[in-house]
Amino acid sequence: NAGVTQTPKFRILKIGQSMTLQCTQDMNHNYMYWYRQDPGMGLKLIYYSVGAGITDKGEVPNGYNVSRSTTEDFPLRLELAAPSQTSVYFCASSYSEGGLGSPLHFGNGTRLTVT
Amino acid sequence: TQLLEQSPQFLSIQEGENLTVYCNSSSVFSSLQWYRQEPGEGPVLLVTVVTGGEVKKLKRLTFQFGDARKDSSLHITAAQPGDTGLYLCAGAITDSWGKLQFGAGTQVVVTP
Repeated sequence: NAGVTQTPKFRILKIGQSMTLQCTQDMNHNYMYWYRQDPGMGLKLIYYSVGAGITDKGEVPNGYNVSRSTTEDFPLRLELAAPSQTSVYFCASSYSEGGLGSPLHFGNGTRLTVT
Repeated sequence: TQLLEQSPQFLSIQEGENLTVYCNSSSVFSSLQWYRQEPGEGPVLLVTVVTGGEVKKLKRLTFQFGDARKDSSLHITAAQPGDTGLYLCAGAITDSWGKLQFGAGTQVVVTP
């Protein structure tokens, strides 16, 4: 099994550009998440989904959008890139609610730089 | 402000030494997880603890959940270079639907 796959691994954007970070999982997990990781700040939840067609905001959703049309895919959209969005982005999935004993399976991340 | 405070932020030790990493909060957690993250990769789950006072062992790693379920510790005995990584604790708040709150992490470096 591939687990959680994220593309691209690296990307440089100019201010104001847009892009979509792709995430797909092959474990048939209902729960999926997007986190950003900044040095010394840990992982912050951007958006999450409890199943196809259902998404909700996390702790830091401003400047981002998501969709969940299938169980497998959970893309993250940046519409107008800003320097504050420079970060490493991780997609994760879990069988049931993360934290209630269900482990999160993470992808290997996308390193995004906005200049 | 971090809900979960990890200490120390950075730890550098020699192979064979012991180390302890702490994860503290003023909130009560229904469960707490520990992850290890290596450079260029996503975090990987090490353990989940759910009962106050619980102790779990994973080879040379010992995890403890505080009696009040507000804190946890990770102890590594006879550390090896392969233990190098960023250790993250993550807790689920009891009155939420289960979203995890992550600490900022402890970077551990074990030199031969």
